[in-house]
Amino acid sequence: GQQVMQIPQYQHVQEGEDFTTYCNSSTTLSNIQWYKQRPGGHPVFLIQLVKSGEVKKQKRLTFQFGEAKKNSSLHITATQTTDVGTYFCAGPGDGGTSYGKLTFGQGTILTVHP
Amino acid sequence: DGGITQSPKYLFRKEGQNVTLSCEQNLNHDAMYWYRQDPGQGLRLIYYSQIVNDFQKGDIAEGYSVSREKKESFPLTVTSAQKNPTAFYLCASSIGGSGQPQHFGDGTRLSIL
Repeated sequence: GQQVMQIPQYQHVQEGEDFTTYCNSSTTLSNIQWYKQRPGGHPVFLIQLVKSGEVKKQKRLTFQFGEAKKNSSLHITATQTTDVGTYFCAGPGDGGTSYGKLTFGQGTILTVHP
Repeated sequence: DGGITQSPKYLFRKEGQNVTLSCEQNLNHDAMYWYRQDPGQGLRLIYYSQIVNDFQKGDIAEGYSVSREKKESFPLTVTSAQKNPTAFYLCASSIGGSGQPQHFGDGTRLSIL
């Protein structure tokens, strides 16, 4: 079945350093979504990318969708302590019995040291 | 404000006991989902429902049951057959269809006494 892999699993950075997490799907995706889960909280939807090669920015966050629509990345410039949490990517099921489902990556846990 | 309400926030289960986790949404969403999250882990899908009176098994449905009698409600029962129920349970909803973003509740933490 469809698999969505994320690397790295953990990332520790000093405040002010940049951070990147990568997401790879075993199948072509119609879209890719990113979520953030603060410690002790619930996942919150950040953004959805749909087009091949699409790049979107939200303040210090830059999201990219690969040309083949099988990979994506999230880059944070100059991390702050408020960026702490787990970042998940998710892609739609590849049809059939997977219709309506999202497959989540394992997440990247980001720790920011002040 | 529209949102998803999960209750209780914390729940304790005795051996051999069934417990039911509540999930209610007022977003007028058609689809609802239940996930299990273990410490440091990702989200694993338990059950999901695209429409009232219909639901499908996810990746880890064994030991769980659900119902979808109303659009707003999607309760999850953790049965005694689930031998390792200690986890964080998250309910989510979306407008339905393929690939729509999901909105999550605050979750329920279930522990075994």
